[in-house]
Formats: sequence, structure tokens, C-alpha cells
Amino acid sequence: GQSLEQPSEVTAVEGAIVQINCTYQTSGFYGLSWYQQHDGGAPTFLSYNALDGLEETGRFSSFLSRSDSYGYLLLQELQMKDSASYFCAVGVAAGNKLTFGGGTRVLVKP
Amino acid sequence: GAVVSQHPSWVICKSGTSVKIECRSLDFQATTMFWYRQFPKQSLMLMATSNEGSKATYEQGVEKDKFLINHASLTLSTLTVTSAHPEDSSFYICSAWTGSNYGYTFGSGTRLTVV
Repeated sequence: GQSLEQPSEVTAVEGAIVQINCTYQTSGFYGLSWYQQHDGGAPTFLSYNALDGLEETGRFSSFLSRSDSYGYLLLQELQMKDSASYFCAVGVAAGNKLTFGGGTRVLVKP
Repeated sequence: GAVVSQHPSWVICKSGTSVKIECRSLDFQATTMFWYRQFPKQSLMLMATSNEGSKATYEQGVEKDKFLINHASLTLSTLTVTSAHPEDSSFYICSAWTGSNYGYTFGSGTRLTVV
């Protein structure tokens, strides 16, 4: 089976940097994805890592170390609109089901 | 591109009635769709995987006779919650594999309240 661990909550101020860690245990591994979900909304895709290293997309970056079964999402220059829940997710093959972590609730304060 | 339209956005129904939720892929063919359920402040839990033209694969603990999934075409999958009870009140979300760089795309979700 698959299991993913991430912190439950993080609080930071506007302009700060937040790192959300995700460790996983899976029977197979195709890639690590990150999703953002605002209250009442659907998850939206943020980033994806299939290979080790850093992927940068604007203010958001994601890192993967397959040997450590570990990844993180880095949120830079935090804005109030970044207050949301962030989920890491693992798929074992392309098009296969995703298993989600428990989610990290990020609260951005002025 | 790669949009999934989910309807209704919210629904209130009485205990014992059935509710159907639809997910349509608007600009791609979704051979595989996934149905998730999410309770407040919790993660997305996969209920079942539906493949066009075949029976859905349910996750352990999900009652297939209660949550009926139909994926009769490459653009439409439906989830019917039968004989709904208050404990079925939740946020239901569908997702589809786009088979492209878009990866997985999600519907906007359906908030079901059973009274």
C-alpha cells in the first residue's frame, strides 16, 4: 500500500517562505505531485516531480529525493491568497490512481 | 485544455433517496476516472476507479451497491449515492487522467448534504 506523511498545519506571515515536507512509503513510484485546495474548492495542480531535483514554477518550487522517499513544496513570497490546504500525492504508474497525503493547512497572516 | 465539468455543485436530499453526480470531460477523452470523497478538514480518499465500458474498481471498505459508478462513454462518468444517509454527507470529487502533460484534472466537486 501507499502512505504519505506531511505536517498538518503551518502558519507564516506575508512575504515569508514556507516549506512543506512529504515523506512517502509506496509499493511503486511514478512521481510526486502537489495540489492546492482552497476551502470549498477542488484541488488544483501545482507541481510534479518524477526525477530527483528541484522543479520551479513561479513562486512555488518542488523537490524530490527518491532515495530518501522525500519531497517538499516551497512557497515563496507568501501572499494571503496562498492560505489553503496543500496535498502531496503519489502515483505508481501513469494514469493510475493517486494516493494523497493528509494535507497541510497553510495560514498566511498579515 | 483538459477540463472536467462536475454537476451538481451542491445538493441536499432526504434520507433514503438517491443522488446522481455527473462528471464530463469537455475537451479530451477520459478512459479512466477516479471518484474521491473528502470529509471536512480531511484528505481526499479514493472511493473507486472507473474505466470506460467496464465495471468500476472499488477501494476496500467502499460499498459498491451503495455507490454506483457508471462510465458508459469516454466523456461521462456518474456516481449515484443510493439510499443516502446523513453519514454520506461529504464533498465528492471526480478526477480524470488526461493522458498528457496536464496529468490529472479534477472536477469542481459536489457538496452533498443528506437531511
